[in-house]
Amino acid sequence: AQKITQTQPGMFVQEKEAVTLDCTYDTSDPSYGLFWYKQPSSGEMIFLIYQGSYDQQNATEGRYSLNFQKARKSANLVISASQLGDSAMYFCAMREENTGNQFYFGTGTSLTVIP
Amino acid sequence: DAGITQSPRHKVTETGTPVTLRCHQTENHRYMYWYRQDPGHGLRLIHYSYGVKDTDKGEVSDGYSVSRSKTEDFLLTLESATSSQTSVYFCAISEGAGGAKNIQYFGAGTRLSVL
Repeated sequence: AQKITQTQPGMFVQEKEAVTLDCTYDTSDPSYGLFWYKQPSSGEMIFLIYQGSYDQQNATEGRYSLNFQKARKSANLVISASQLGDSAMYFCAMREENTGNQFYFGTGTSLTVIP
Repeated sequence: DAGITQSPRHKVTETGTPVTLRCHQTENHRYMYWYRQDPGHGLRLIHYSYGVKDTDKGEVSDGYSVSRSKTEDFLLTLESATSSQTSVYFCAISEGAGGAKNIQYFGAGTRLSVL
């Protein structure tokens, strides 16, 4: 079974609008971390936001927030007030704290911001 | 930006030749990782290291070996390169020890073509 599933291969959003990128995960480990990364066309991987499984509040970092729904095993990334520079691939990832040191990445969502 | 340098940034080689990619960090982080990125697969873990001389396999380790003789350097070797190893290779580092210390920071990547 896939550890991380990103079901939206491509998304479009109007500039200045908000957009939600979906991520669901699969784990039986009660302790885990969830991560989002951005990969622009230049190729580098940029860390955006982190959520721990025991964190009570949704993580926020500037215009990025993580909509963490533990019972549904979802960790959606919300980007508010989209900018042209947000056009990129976005990857969701998970690390299980008690079952090894591996990171699992999803296949990514390509976001295009339309002027 | 995390001090992570990958070398070379680009390499073209022939099938059957050995290839070594280098990852150098200046952050003194304990964990280092090698990933490959292929279309439709996201990032897949090849090998990782949790300390000097301490390494373990990831999900796609066949055909690859690694070494870590110093905290700052993590080498990935393709003993006999094959065309299926044509990919973009990323090195990542993290402090480790749980929670947000598991956030991985990535190098710029190495584009490898095996002809």
